[in-house]
Amino acid sequence: DQQVKQNSPSLSVQEGRISILNCDYTNSMFDYFLWYKKYPAEGPTFLISISSIKDKNEDGRFTVFLNKSAKHLSLHIVPSQPGDSAVYFCAANSAGTASKLTFGTGTRLQVTL
Amino acid sequence: DAGITQSPRHKVTETGTPVTLRCHQTENHRYMYWYRQDPGHGLRLIHYSYGVKDTDKGEVSDGYSVSRSKTEDFLLTLESATSSQTSVYFCAISESSRNRKNEQYFGPGTRLTVT
Repeated sequence: DQQVKQNSPSLSVQEGRISILNCDYTNSMFDYFLWYKKYPAEGPTFLISISSIKDKNEDGRFTVFLNKSAKHLSLHIVPSQPGDSAVYFCAANSAGTASKLTFGTGTRLQVTL
Repeated sequence: DAGITQSPRHKVTETGTPVTLRCHQTENHRYMYWYRQDPGHGLRLIHYSYGVKDTDKGEVSDGYSVSRSKTEDFLLTLESATSSQTSVYFCAISESSRNRKNEQYFGPGTRLTVT
Protein backbone atom coordinates (compact mmCIF):
# COMPACT_ATOMS: atom_id res chain seq x y z
CA ASP A 1 0.00 0.00 0.00
CA GLN A 2 1.59 3.22 -1.16
CA GLN A 3 1.08 5.72 1.65
CA VAL A 4 2.75 8.55 -0.24
CA LYS A 5 1.86 8.94 -3.89
CA GLN A 6 3.26 11.02 -6.68
CA ASN A 7 0.90 10.35 -9.54
CA SER A 8 2.84 12.22 -12.22
CA PRO A 9 5.97 10.28 -13.20
CA SER A 10 7.23 13.16 -15.30
CA LEU A 11 6.74 16.85 -15.94
CA SER A 12 8.15 19.16 -18.59
CA VAL A 13 8.23 22.93 -18.04
CA GLN A 14 9.78 25.79 -19.95
CA GLU A 15 12.56 27.78 -18.37
CA GLY A 16 11.21 30.76 -16.45
CA ARG A 17 7.77 29.25 -15.92
CA ILE A 18 6.36 27.72 -12.76
CA SER A 19 6.85 24.04 -11.98
CA ILE A 20 4.24 22.42 -9.75
CA LEU A 21 4.92 18.97 -8.37
CA ASN A 22 2.17 17.19 -6.47
CA CYS A 23 2.08 14.61 -3.72
CA ASP A 24 -0.79 12.87 -1.93
CA TYR A 25 -0.70 10.84 1.26
CA THR A 26 -3.10 8.50 2.96
CA ASN A 27 -1.72 8.14 6.50
CA SER A 28 -3.34 10.75 8.74
CA MET A 29 -0.56 10.24 11.31
CA PHE A 30 1.99 11.92 9.03
CA ASP A 31 2.82 15.32 10.46
CA TYR A 32 6.02 16.34 8.74
CA PHE A 33 6.70 16.45 5.03
CA LEU A 34 9.88 16.88 3.02
CA TRP A 35 10.93 17.27 -0.58
CA TYR A 36 14.15 15.81 -1.92
CA LYS A 37 15.85 16.41 -5.24
CA LYS A 38 17.92 13.76 -6.97
CA TYR A 39 20.31 14.04 -9.87
CA PRO A 40 21.42 10.92 -11.77
CA ALA A 41 24.18 8.92 -10.08
CA GLU A 42 23.91 11.00 -6.90
CA GLY A 43 22.12 10.59 -3.60
CA PRO A 44 18.95 12.57 -2.88
CA THR A 45 19.46 15.99 -1.34
CA PHE A 46 17.08 17.71 1.03
CA LEU A 47 15.24 20.64 -0.52
CA ILE A 48 12.48 21.96 1.73
CA SER A 49 10.13 20.75 4.44
CA ILE A 50 6.89 21.67 6.15
CA SER A 51 5.30 20.82 9.44
CA SER A 52 1.61 19.98 9.61
CA ILE A 53 1.00 23.03 11.79
CA LYS A 54 1.74 25.20 8.75
CA ASP A 55 0.19 25.40 5.33
CA LYS A 56 3.05 27.07 3.51
CA ASN A 57 6.82 27.23 3.68
CA GLU A 58 9.00 29.24 1.35
CA ASP A 59 12.71 29.12 0.63
CA GLY A 60 13.88 31.23 -2.27
CA ARG A 61 12.40 29.91 -5.49
CA PHE A 62 10.87 26.92 -3.71
CA THR A 63 7.54 26.93 -1.89
CA VAL A 64 5.75 23.95 -0.39
CA PHE A 65 2.01 24.06 0.25
CA LEU A 66 0.19 21.66 2.53
CA ASN A 67 -3.56 20.98 2.48
CA LYS A 68 -4.18 18.69 5.43
CA SER A 69 -7.87 18.21 4.80
CA ALA A 70 -7.12 16.95 1.30
CA LYS A 71 -3.96 15.12 2.40
CA HIS A 72 -2.14 16.87 -0.41
CA LEU A 73 1.08 18.81 -0.72
CA SER A 74 2.70 20.53 -3.63
CA LEU A 75 6.09 21.98 -4.46
CA HIS A 76 6.22 25.15 -6.52
CA ILE A 77 9.41 26.22 -8.26
CA VAL A 78 9.39 29.77 -9.59
CA PRO A 79 11.04 30.56 -11.91
CA SER A 80 12.14 27.17 -13.17
CA GLN A 81 15.74 26.85 -14.31
CA PRO A 82 17.47 24.16 -16.39
CA GLY A 83 19.47 23.13 -13.30
CA ASP A 84 16.19 22.18 -11.64
CA SER A 85 15.90 19.21 -13.99
CA ALA A 86 15.99 16.23 -11.66
CA VAL A 87 13.79 13.66 -9.95
CA TYR A 88 11.83 15.05 -7.02
CA PHE A 89 10.67 12.86 -4.16
CA CYS A 90 8.21 13.82 -1.49
CA ALA A 91 8.51 12.11 1.87
CA ALA A 92 6.51 12.00 5.07
CA ASN A 93 7.12 11.23 8.72
CA SER A 94 5.12 10.82 11.89
CA ALA A 95 6.17 11.48 15.46
CA GLY A 96 7.75 8.64 17.39
CA THR A 97 8.95 6.72 14.36
CA ALA A 98 12.69 7.24 14.77
CA SER A 99 12.78 9.75 11.93
CA LYS A 100 11.75 7.09 9.42
CA LEU A 101 10.60 8.58 6.17
CA THR A 102 8.08 7.18 3.73
CA PHE A 103 8.87 8.25 0.19
CA GLY A 104 6.78 8.70 -2.90
CA THR A 105 7.79 7.20 -6.22
CA GLY A 106 9.21 10.43 -7.59
CA THR A 107 8.48 12.88 -10.40
CA ARG A 108 11.04 13.57 -13.09
CA LEU A 109 11.12 17.28 -13.89
CA GLN A 110 12.61 18.49 -17.13
CA VAL A 111 13.08 22.21 -17.59
CA THR A 112 13.46 23.07 -21.25
CA LEU A 113 15.06 26.13 -22.79
CA ASP B 1 27.74 18.22 2.37
CA ALA B 2 27.27 15.69 5.13
CA GLY B 3 30.23 13.34 5.45
CA ILE B 4 28.76 10.09 4.20
CA THR B 5 30.60 7.58 2.06
CA GLN B 6 29.47 4.26 0.68
CA SER B 7 31.60 1.39 -0.50
CA PRO B 8 31.78 -0.12 -2.96
CA ARG B 9 30.14 2.31 -5.38
CA HIS B 10 29.53 -0.42 -7.94
CA LYS B 11 29.42 -4.18 -7.58
CA VAL B 12 28.49 -7.10 -9.78
CA THR B 13 27.98 -10.40 -8.05
CA GLU B 14 26.51 -13.82 -8.76
CA THR B 15 23.28 -15.24 -7.42
CA GLY B 16 23.77 -17.02 -4.12
CA THR B 17 26.87 -15.15 -2.99
CA PRO B 18 26.96 -13.01 0.16
CA VAL B 19 27.47 -9.28 -0.28
CA THR B 20 28.23 -6.57 2.26
CA LEU B 21 27.80 -2.87 1.62
CA ARG B 22 29.36 -0.32 3.92
CA CYS B 23 28.20 3.10 4.97
CA HIS B 24 30.56 5.38 6.83
CA GLN B 25 29.71 8.76 8.37
CA THR B 26 31.86 11.44 9.96
CA GLU B 27 28.95 13.47 11.39
CA ASN B 28 28.42 11.46 14.59
CA HIS B 29 24.70 11.27 13.83
CA ARG B 30 22.65 8.84 15.85
CA TYR B 31 20.36 7.46 13.15
CA MET B 32 21.45 5.58 10.05
CA TYR B 33 19.30 4.04 7.32
CA TRP B 34 19.57 1.78 4.33
CA TYR B 35 17.23 2.30 1.36
CA ARG B 36 16.92 0.75 -2.04
CA GLN B 37 15.74 2.65 -5.09
CA ASP B 38 13.91 0.87 -7.86
CA PRO B 39 11.92 2.22 -10.82
CA GLY B 40 8.28 2.69 -9.90
CA HIS B 41 8.95 2.27 -6.19
CA GLY B 42 10.90 5.32 -5.17
CA LEU B 43 13.02 4.84 -2.07
CA ARG B 44 12.11 2.02 0.26
CA LEU B 45 13.53 1.54 3.73
CA ILE B 46 15.36 -1.75 4.30
CA HIS B 47 16.72 -1.39 7.85
CA TYR B 48 17.64 1.42 10.15
CA SER B 49 19.68 1.98 13.29
CA TYR B 50 18.97 4.26 16.22
CA GLY B 51 22.27 3.67 17.98
CA VAL B 52 25.22 1.32 18.27
CA LYS B 53 23.93 -2.26 18.19
CA ASP B 54 20.33 -0.94 17.96
CA THR B 55 18.66 -1.77 14.67
CA ASP B 56 15.18 -2.43 13.36
CA LYS B 57 13.49 -3.56 10.18
CA GLY B 58 12.05 -1.38 7.48
CA GLU B 59 9.41 -2.21 4.89
CA VAL B 60 11.58 -4.42 2.65
CA SER B 61 13.91 -6.20 5.08
CA ASP B 62 13.56 -9.80 3.86
CA GLY B 63 16.90 -11.15 2.63
CA TYR B 64 18.90 -8.38 4.30
CA SER B 65 20.67 -8.03 7.62
CA VAL B 66 22.52 -5.09 9.18
CA SER B 67 25.05 -4.43 11.86
CA ARG B 68 26.27 -1.33 13.62
CA SER B 69 29.22 -1.88 15.93
CA LYS B 70 30.40 1.74 15.83
CA THR B 71 28.58 5.02 15.54
CA GLU B 72 30.20 5.78 12.21
CA ASP B 73 29.64 2.49 10.39
CA PHE B 74 26.46 0.77 9.24
CA LEU B 75 26.79 -2.44 7.24
CA LEU B 76 24.16 -3.98 5.01
CA THR B 77 24.54 -7.68 4.19
CA LEU B 78 22.76 -9.70 1.57
CA GLU B 79 23.12 -13.21 2.93
CA SER B 80 22.56 -14.90 -0.42
CA ALA B 81 22.10 -12.42 -3.23
CA THR B 82 19.19 -12.85 -5.66
CA SER B 83 18.44 -11.10 -8.94
CA SER B 84 15.55 -9.25 -7.26
CA GLN B 85 18.13 -7.49 -5.11
CA THR B 86 19.65 -5.79 -8.12
CA SER B 87 19.14 -2.15 -7.21
CA VAL B 88 20.74 1.08 -6.17
CA TYR B 89 21.32 1.20 -2.43
CA PHE B 90 21.49 4.43 -0.47
CA CYS B 91 22.63 5.03 3.04
CA ALA B 92 21.26 7.99 4.97
CA ILE B 93 21.92 9.60 8.33
CA SER B 94 19.84 11.74 10.64
CA GLU B 95 20.88 13.64 13.72
CA SER B 96 17.93 13.20 16.02
CA SER B 97 14.20 12.86 16.05
CA ARG B 98 13.89 15.32 18.93
CA ASN B 99 14.14 18.42 16.79
CA ARG B 100 11.49 16.94 14.53
CA LYS B 101 13.22 18.17 11.45
CA ASN B 102 13.73 14.59 10.37
CA GLU B 103 16.02 15.65 7.59
CA GLN B 104 18.04 12.78 6.33
CA TYR B 105 21.29 13.18 4.46
CA PHE B 106 22.11 10.64 1.82
CA GLY B 107 25.28 9.01 0.60
CA PRO B 108 26.18 8.74 -3.10
CA GLY B 109 24.72 5.24 -3.50
CA THR B 110 25.95 1.77 -4.45
CA ARG B 111 24.80 0.19 -7.68
CA LEU B 112 24.52 -3.55 -7.16
CA THR B 113 23.92 -6.00 -9.98
CA VAL B 114 23.19 -9.65 -9.22
CA THR B 115 23.63 -11.92 -12.24
